[in-house]
Amino acid sequence: SQKIEQNSEALNIQEGKTATLTCNYTNYSPAYLQWYRQDPGRGPVFLLLIRENEKEKRKERLKVTFDTTLKQSLFHITASQPADSATYLCALPLYNQGGKLIFGQGTELSVKP
Amino acid sequence: DAGITQSPRHKVTETGTPVTLRCHQTENHRYMYWYRQDPGHGLRLIHYSYGVKDTDKGEVSDGYSVSRSKTEDFLLTLESATSSQTSVYFCAISLRVFDTEAFFGQGTRLTVV
Repeated sequence: SQKIEQNSEALNIQEGKTATLTCNYTNYSPAYLQWYRQDPGRGPVFLLLIRENEKEKRKERLKVTFDTTLKQSLFHITASQPADSATYLCALPLYNQGGKLIFGQGTELSVKP
Repeated sequence: DAGITQSPRHKVTETGTPVTLRCHQTENHRYMYWYRQDPGHGLRLIHYSYGVKDTDKGEVSDGYSVSRSKTEDFLLTLESATSSQTSVYFCAISLRVFDTEAFFGQGTRLTVV
């Protein structure tokens, strides 16, 4: 079955540095991949969507890459700020299963001032 | 914010009792999802719906049933609650599944004692 894996360990970085989070998937060739942010006690919020032929997508300080050969997406936050501290989840819509949207377990990011 | 409301927000129930969680949307989105979130497991799909009366199972559907009799409401029922179903439950909606974002509700914290 399809599986998504994200770094289970929390990522701790210093303010101003670039945070890089990894999303790996198996047994699937997605056409799209999504990234969400989740703050404690709240539902996830959509950040970015990338298509398989886009390779890279940017939004302000966020950048997502999509390597279909490695079956991996990288999520970068440049010039990180304490307000970026949250859990980040990647998600795959399964086009061969009528609309299922599955998520990785998320990576907790902590940005220290 | 997308018009999606979950009720109740918090519930404590006894083992063996039936429980129904409600997700209500005002966005007329086609797809609706129920997830549960537990520490270390991220978001796991329970059931989803791709239209009125059209539902399918997710990865952790045992012990849960759903119904969608109209576009705006998606109900999740625990027929006989068990302690292992203590969790935070999130509902999500999506206009399309592949190239659009999902919007999440605020979550329902369910405790089975």
